[in-house]
Amino acid sequence: KNEVEQSPQNLTAQEGEFITINCSYSVGISALHWLQQHPGGGIVSLFMLSSGKKKHGRLIATINIQEKHSSLHITASHPRDSAVYICAVRSQGAQKLVFGQGTRLTINP
Amino acid sequence: NAGVTQTPKFRILKIGQSMTLQCTQDMNHNYMYWYRQDPGMGLKLIYYSVGAGITDKGEVPNGYNVSRSTTEDFPLRLELAAPSQTSVYFCASSLDAREGSSYNSPLHFGNGTRLTVT
Repeated sequence: KNEVEQSPQNLTAQEGEFITINCSYSVGISALHWLQQHPGGGIVSLFMLSSGKKKHGRLIATINIQEKHSSLHITASHPRDSAVYICAVRSQGAQKLVFGQGTRLTINP
Repeated sequence: NAGVTQTPKFRILKIGQSMTLQCTQDMNHNYMYWYRQDPGMGLKLIYYSVGAGITDKGEVPNGYNVSRSTTEDFPLRLELAAPSQTSVYFCASSLDAREGSSYNSPLHFGNGTRLTVT
């Protein structure tokens, strides 16, 4: 079993829909990252969180430390949100990140 | 505002050839990383560095070498290219302090190098 599991692996939705991507992990962590990889390949850091909830524009990230689970939500989705969304965790005391396999999101107009 | 710069963007190598993937950052970050991303797979850590003169192996270091002579540069060397090294390579950096809230700072990625070994 991978240390970081994302679901779903692929998600297709219509423009305007509310999107949820999930990330579960099996180790104690000091931080969890959400990253976005555009179709062209570039990777951008969206959020880094260790507790609670963060919001940036239409994106919201939450984390439940007790349940070892995080969610990334996108409100009023748009075709430009189409990308691969990657969850990564840093274990407590570790210097390295462990990455999930990513969720490929496609938003159709 | 260059951030993390990787060169080249694309490269085709023959089996047995060698090459160096260049990575430089201008944010004075002490941590730098090399990842590879195979189709449909998550990012795998090849090597990382916590500061100039210090490097350490990641999950998949075989077939690669790195050096970190300056804070800015972290080149990745492939000595004898093999088809299994066909991948997209990403360099990343972060400002990780040994203490305090900035220990978990965001990662900044380069745009990637697409390498094909035939």
